[in-house]
Amino acid sequence: DTAVSQTPKYLVTQMGNDKSIKCEQNLGHDTMYWYKQDSKKFLKIMFSYNNKELIINETVPNRFSPKSPDKAHLNLHINSLELGDSAVYFCASRTPYTGELFFGEGSRLTVL
Amino acid sequence: DAKTTQPTSMDCAEGRAANLPCNHSTISGNEYVYWYRQIHSQGPQYIIHGLKNNETNEMASLIITEDRKSSTLILPHATLRDTAVYYCIVSDFGNEKLTFGTGTRLTIIP
Repeated sequence: DTAVSQTPKYLVTQMGNDKSIKCEQNLGHDTMYWYKQDSKKFLKIMFSYNNKELIINETVPNRFSPKSPDKAHLNLHINSLELGDSAVYFCASRTPYTGELFFGEGSRLTVL
Repeated sequence: DAKTTQPTSMDCAEGRAANLPCNHSTISGNEYVYWYRQIHSQGPQYIIHGLKNNETNEMASLIITEDRKSSTLILPHATLRDTAVYYCIVSDFGNEKLTFGTGTRLTIIP
């Protein structure tokens, strides 16, 4: 069983479109994250949710809207896509016992 | 999170021990040292963490200096599959914001 799963794995779209990436974890963790890894390979935190509540928002443009319908899911919706949004987006969940992060396999977004 | 400093890249011969250093001179008393790695473009993978004692698991060993200002991740018998970017992070359990630096790109040479 995949602990943290993201869909889709690949997404190619045009500028101006709206797209969503879904994330689900079956680990029972309360805390989930979205990270962005750009072409320079920097891994930057975007959002963190704890039990459906937003706790970290790293000054991400408001075109990005995370939604957590329940603590096992954290979806990322992006409006009016721009070229600079092209990146790999990683979802993660964190165990409170050791602080360990479990990452998904990533969703590669390409904006043309 | 306290900042960490790691070498940009390192090479290691296959079968030898890979020793990856990390400086974290501003670490506070309740912050742990975590190591992750990212193989190619896969999701980062947890390796090990520790507070002040040395730790060992099936993947690696973590040696933390007595003053806790630096640490070394040891892969005892490196294989080609250990080629990856290795990230050293310091954080306490209550801090939800885990910040990744630039890491060390480790290349295992046949």
